[in-house]
Amino acid sequence: EVQLLESGGGLVQPGGSLRLSCSASGFSFSSFAMTWVRQAPGKGLESVSTISGPADSTFYADSVKGRFTISRDNSKNTLYLEMTSLRAEDTAVYYCAKEGSSTSAFDYWGQGTLITVSS
Amino acid sequence: DIQMTQSPSTLSAFEGDRVTITCRASQGISNWLAWYQQKPGKAPKLLIYKASSLQSGVPSRFSGSGSGTEFTLTISSLQPDDFATYYCQQYSTYQRTFGQGTKVEFK
Repeated sequence: EVQLLESGGGLVQPGGSLRLSCSASGFSFSSFAMTWVRQAPGKGLESVSTISGPADSTFYADSVKGRFTISRDNSKNTLYLEMTSLRAEDTAVYYCAKEGSSTSAFDYWGQGTLITVSS
Repeated sequence: DIQMTQSPSTLSAFEGDRVTITCRASQGISNWLAWYQQKPGKAPKLLIYKASSLQSGVPSRFSGSGSGTEFTLTISSLQPDDFATYYCQQYSTYQRTFGQGTKVEFK
């Protein structure tokens, strides 16, 4: 059974930093691209950052470019999102999502972890 | 960036109704389109991929169609479990973008 479990969320002050983790199980982690998707309270979904299976390619939304860094440790089946210079507008539930091989869509999602940026 | 526009933003319907949600892309995306269902406090769930392919385990009352820039999600007979928010998403580029969502409410 595929499972994705995010951790690392919490309250952080504006300008602060935080690292999210997503622990994966039930599939060949290194074979699949992974994405962080966020959802601000009461708002829609935003794809924040994507990393290829071998970690040789990454993508960032303009809203986080230069502030967030996506990475993965395929030996530990874990995805990361390093977030710096956090702003109030980064407040959201952050989901990690797996891209399907045949679907290329996000076929599995974690339960999400809430980041609140506030003083 | 490719912009995705859904309509309507809110839809009121009765159980048993046929429901259609439309998604328009700002440029052609072939059939690289997915539909997700999200319930309050839960992660989104994949319903449809490649515009018209039903994800495993999803009831057959859900169907998708379209290509290029115009897409639809149809629920043939709305069930109580279907009251939720639905999002389209394009994945023709690495910048995956979502529509703003359509909330399906009980009439």
